[in-house]
Amino acid sequence: GIQVEQSPPDLILQEGANSTLRCNFSDSVNNLQWFHQNPWGQLINLFYIPSGTKQNGRLSATTVATERYSLLYISSSQTTDSGVYFCAFRAGGTSYGKLTFGQGTILTVHP
Amino acid sequence: NAGVTQTPKFQVLKTGQSMTLQCAQDMNHNSMYWYRQDPGMGLRLIYYSASEGTTDKGEVPNGYNVSRLNKREFSLRLESAAPSQTSVYFCASSDVTRGYEQYFGPGTRLTVT
Repeated sequence: GIQVEQSPPDLILQEGANSTLRCNFSDSVNNLQWFHQNPWGQLINLFYIPSGTKQNGRLSATTVATERYSLLYISSSQTTDSGVYFCAFRAGGTSYGKLTFGQGTILTVHP
Repeated sequence: NAGVTQTPKFQVLKTGQSMTLQCAQDMNHNSMYWYRQDPGMGLRLIYYSASEGTTDKGEVPNGYNVSRLNKREFSLRLESAAPSQTSVYFCASSDVTRGYEQYFGPGTRLTVT
């Protein structure tokens, strides 16, 4: 079946450090999204990025569809970046936007 | 715009009780979804509705029913709650005009004792 693998599973940083989160997926991609789940449980849309590169402030993301992976970059991390980062993927040929989620990367940023 | 709203935010049920989780979106999206999130895991799709009047099973539909009441509202019903249904439930919506990018509600934390 469709699989999404995220790495690393856990990441601990000091404030100000940079990090890269990776998402590998098992099929051709129609839709790939990155989410941040904050400590209150809210899911926040970060990027909709089926291909190419996007930037939003200190965050950027790149999806290389031909090699079936996506990367999320966090620069100059802040304590408010803590939480769980999920990638979610819709395979080519999957109808109606059904997303398959990875297991997430737990990020902890210490002051 | 409120986006996607869910009620209630928290609920405690006894085994065998029933309840309905409500979801509404004001973004005029055609498609709506129900997911559950268990501790330490990503979200898993329970049911989805591609458009008003249609519903389909997702990955983990057993023990649940859904109703797409109109374009705005999509409810999830637990007919006879079980402890295995203790979870956080998220509703989401999307539309083909935005590439099916999904937007999520704040979640309902359900505990079944």
